[in-house]
Amino acid sequence: GEDVEQSLFLSVREGDSSVINCTYTDSSSTYLYWYKQEPGAGLQLLTYIFSNMDMKQDQRLTVLLNKKDKHLSLRIADTQTGDSAIYFCAEKGLLKTIFGAGTRLFVKA
Amino acid sequence: EAGVVQSPRYKIIEKKQPVAFWCNPISGHNTLYWYLQNLGQGPELLIRYENEEAVDDSQLPKDRFSAERLKGVDSTLKIQPAELGDSAVYLCASSFRASGRRNEQFFGPGTRLTVL
Repeated sequence: GEDVEQSLFLSVREGDSSVINCTYTDSSSTYLYWYKQEPGAGLQLLTYIFSNMDMKQDQRLTVLLNKKDKHLSLRIADTQTGDSAIYFCAEKGLLKTIFGAGTRLFVKA
Repeated sequence: EAGVVQSPRYKIIEKKQPVAFWCNPISGHNTLYWYLQNLGQGPELLIRYENEEAVDDSQLPKDRFSAERLKGVDSTLKIQPAELGDSAVYLCASSFRASGRRNEQFFGPGTRLTVL
């Protein structure tokens, strides 16, 4: 079945760039998403990329998609303490959206 | 614009008791989702509604879980009886339509259930 995998933790210093990686298995994915979840809150859509694109930039966020390797990454430039949260990769297949387990980002001041 | 509203935010019950969660989606969103989120995991779909019709309930444990969305707006998810393993966060989300190109889902804050 479809699966989405992410590393569980990432720790960076404030001001550095963060790169969160994700792999997925469903080759029929149409959209791929990055969601952010802060403590006690639901998921918030950060950005998304259509499967026929290989890069999308949105202010401090850059999404890279390697469709051949089914690899997605999220780069956050100039990471701030407010970026500390859990980041979920998700892929929209034919039937439903599948979420990864989330990467917990720690930002050290 | 109000977001997805869920209540209660927290619920503690003893095992074998019933429990119900309520969700009010964003106005105009005809697709509603219930997800289960275990600690350290991503959301897993329990059921998806298109208006009042449950179009995907394949992951809903139907022996103890039930859901309804009678008028195609707000929805209730029920567990009866609850088991210890049901302790988790239950998230509700809505989108304009599931078949839409982008299918952005808007999530509520969730209900954290603890079964003792």
